[in-house]
Amino acid sequence: DTAVSQTPKYLVTQMGNDKSIKCEQNLGHDTMYWYKQDSKKFLKIMFSYNNKELIINETVPNRFSPKSPDKAHLNLHINSLELGDSAVYFCASSRGSSYNEQFFGPGTRLTVL
Amino acid sequence: AQKVTQAQTEISVVEKEDVTLDCVYETRDTTYYLFWYKQPPSGELVFLIRRNSFDEQNEISGRYSWNFQKSTSSFNFTITASQVVDSAVYFCALSEVSGGYQKVTFGTGTKLQVIP
Repeated sequence: DTAVSQTPKYLVTQMGNDKSIKCEQNLGHDTMYWYKQDSKKFLKIMFSYNNKELIINETVPNRFSPKSPDKAHLNLHINSLELGDSAVYFCASSRGSSYNEQFFGPGTRLTVL
Repeated sequence: AQKVTQAQTEISVVEKEDVTLDCVYETRDTTYYLFWYKQPPSGELVFLIRRNSFDEQNEISGRYSWNFQKSTSSFNFTITASQVVDSAVYFCALSEVSGGYQKVTFGTGTKLQVIP
């Protein structure tokens, strides 16, 4: 029933750990995104995939690595977590390009201690 | 580079008042799209409207209306007879071709509080 789902919803971890966030969409969209929303609510695009191909890779540390096993999934792996990585991470999808509206997942609140 | 400015950080209105959320954008492209999204306290982001750069017609959807003016690079959002359920952060966004691919830039958001 859920259009864009993310797991986990909450993630609390220690500095230096590696963690992954999973995203799945059942809308049949071919473009998926990862956004980071900081404590001031500022939303910034991190990555975008179209048909499993990376098309946007913003200035994001190499510790962040997206992986798209198929068009319906876009996972985010983060190595060596830092305090500054604490944020809400949103997955989104759209039909075709970002000229179309995006459908967002519920977000994953990551807290790095 | 594209830029979206939402100068109003926070707005408080009393229920049933009308409120307008401002959005000003910058772009060099002639083809672009503008969006509004709503983020209620529960945290999810909800799409409200999309408008392309060639369509300056204003749009009304129930209590919501949008005023797109290319001459002033603005895409403002008005809520008529506001309700408590309208309390949320509202984001304006711009999608244009940048560096050979389409990219969305979000404004910093306007937090609207509707007081009963």
